[in-house]
Amino acid sequence: DQQVKQNSPSLSVQEGRISILNCDYTNSMFDYFLWYKKYPAEGPTFLISISSIKDKNEDGRFTVFLNKSAKHLSLHIVPSQPGDSAVYFCAAESSGDKLTFGTGTRLAVRP
Amino acid sequence: NAGVTQTPKFQVLKTGQSMTLQCAQDMNHEYMSWYRQDPGMGLRLIHYSVGAGITDQGEVPNGYNVSRSTTEDFPLRLLSAAPSQTSVYFCASSPGTFEKLFFGSGTQLSVL
Repeated sequence: DQQVKQNSPSLSVQEGRISILNCDYTNSMFDYFLWYKKYPAEGPTFLISISSIKDKNEDGRFTVFLNKSAKHLSLHIVPSQPGDSAVYFCAAESSGDKLTFGTGTRLAVRP
Repeated sequence: NAGVTQTPKFQVLKTGQSMTLQCAQDMNHEYMSWYRQDPGMGLRLIHYSVGAGITDQGEVPNGYNVSRSTTEDFPLRLLSAAPSQTSVYFCASSPGTFEKLFFGSGTQLSVL
């Protein structure tokens, strides 16, 4: 049973526009959420995180929004750049438990 | 600073062969873990360790063994390789929790 779901396997966006990547979860015990970015032939790298006590966290061009009632989080990238083209994984954990990853969304930013 | 180093980068095995995937980190992290990445499945936890001498099973542990004799090293052993173990394997470490994992560059394994 997939507790963390990324229903869009791919997304294509024009350079300079906003990219919105979505993630849904089913486990109401999750209290910390993270986004990782992965380039081909490299390991994932941490991008941004958010605690369940917040509904928004911003870091430069990246903002993560959390809607606990809908069990939904999203990653906004503004403006999108070609170097943002990668696979993005969302992940979630509950206190003291292990990270659960989503299946990933491949973002392509067109010049 | 090397971070998390995995070897080899590529490996081809025949069904039934055994091998060890190596993982070393130089950040003095207590937590280390192994994941496999398969198409449409995301990253799934195989085994993890909270410190030297302590290991535990993750989501998909069958067919794999681990040990943690030092803080730096966390090898993953395939006992008798099967085609279902064809995957990309990532080793990761973190300072003290499962947050902000630092990943190695991966090992692409094919079992024929």
